[in-house]
Amino acid sequence: EVQLVESGGGLVQPGGSLRLSCAASGFTFINYNMNWVRQAPGKGLEWVSYIGRSGTAASYADSVKGRFNISRDDAKNSLYLQMNSLRDEDTAVYYCTRDKADCGGDCYVDSWGQGTLVIVSS
Amino acid sequence: IVMTQSPDSLALFLGERATINCKSSRSISYTSNDMNYLAWYQQKPGHPPKLLLYWSSIRDSGVPDRFSGSGSGTDFNLTISSLQAEDVAVYYCQQYYTGRTFGQGTRVEL
Repeated sequence: EVQLVESGGGLVQPGGSLRLSCAASGFTFINYNMNWVRQAPGKGLEWVSYIGRSGTAASYADSVKGRFNISRDDAKNSLYLQMNSLRDEDTAVYYCTRDKADCGGDCYVDSWGQGTLVIVSS
Repeated sequence: IVMTQSPDSLALFLGERATINCKSSRSISYTSNDMNYLAWYQQKPGHPPKLLLYWSSIRDSGVPDRFSGSGSGTDFNLTISSLQAEDVAVYYCQQYYTGRTFGQGTRVEL
């Protein structure tokens, strides 16, 4: 069974930093492109960042470019999101997601974690 | 690419047909392979989204056949042929033609 378990969320002040982690299991992590998708309270879904299978390809939504950094550790079956210079509008549930197998750069998500809540507030 | 869903919410009786529309600001279909780069997700309260359909009309494993997708170019529909109580949720479309963008969601209620 595919499992994606996020951790690292919490309350942080504006301008602060936070690092999210996602532990993957139940599939061969190295073979999949991965993403972070977020959902502000009571709002819709927003794609945040993508990282390719090799870890060399990455992309970001304009809203987080230059502030967030995505990475992966295939040896630990883990995905990360380093979030710096956090703003009030970054408050959201952050989901770790897996792209459908054998997808190119842009794709759809076939598995979602339960999410971790990040609250940016003073 | 901006994705716009309509309506924002829909209230129907059990057994009724539900149709949700999703429009893209430009075509998300490749004529070379006749594929539509659109997915549909279902999100129930307190849960993460779940993939329903991809390539606009292919049901993911385990998705009941009362869910179907249609459309091409810039205009797509998700149809629930006979609404069940467990279908109460918010539904999102997502394009993956260029980048990834979601529609704003459509809430389906009884």
